[in-house]
Amino acid sequence: GAVVSQHPSRVICKSGTSVKIECRSLDFQATTMFWYRQFPKQSLMLMATSNEGSKATYEQGVEKDKFLINHASLTLSTLTVTSAHPEDSSFYICSARDPRVFGEKLFFGSGTQLSVL
Amino acid sequence: AQSVAQPEDQVNVAEGNPLTVKCTYSVSGNPYLFWYVQYPNRGLQFLLKYITGDNLVKGSYGFEAEFNKSQTSFHLKKPSALVSDSALYFCAVSGLFSGGYNKLIFGAGTRLAVHP
Repeated sequence: GAVVSQHPSRVICKSGTSVKIECRSLDFQATTMFWYRQFPKQSLMLMATSNEGSKATYEQGVEKDKFLINHASLTLSTLTVTSAHPEDSSFYICSARDPRVFGEKLFFGSGTQLSVL
Repeated sequence: AQSVAQPEDQVNVAEGNPLTVKCTYSVSGNPYLFWYVQYPNRGLQFLLKYITGDNLVKGSYGFEAEFNKSQTSFHLKKPSALVSDSALYFCAVSGLFSGGYNKLIFGAGTRLAVHP
């Protein structure tokens, strides 16, 4: 099946620094990728939809200047958490839809655990 | 508003016994329904989906789910649980809402604990 690779799996950073998370579709071209955030013992919340070659679409309440999304190619989307603060600590997961697969099935990366000190 | 409910935070079952993880949904129109499983510090893995057709859907690792339109439910089941099935399970729904098919709305998740 389709594979989505996410890197890094874990990152610890100081408050005020920026962190970049990469999401790659390894064996298919993903015109659309999705970024989710998951707090402990809570469900995944969609943050934004990343569209190749255009601006990302952010969900209500998500600061676009805080969470910068770039989808520069058909296989790579990046999420940059700018000026990170402890409240940004969370588990971030990307996903992509393989256009070859019918039925809106998403393939997920393995996630990035961000800890802001 | 569209929503997915997983009424149980945790389900405990003995190995070898049947298991059920409950999910109900509220959407307008015809939904696409999914079950995903998450292991610790891992991304989600797809288990199964219902799009149309037979209400009983069979998926990975011996899991199955039954779509019940009248009860707006999509409960996940397995005839005989394994200890390795212990994980966090998410029900999700997608459909023609909130901008298009591509968005999934997830339930809060149910932790399945299978005891030897």
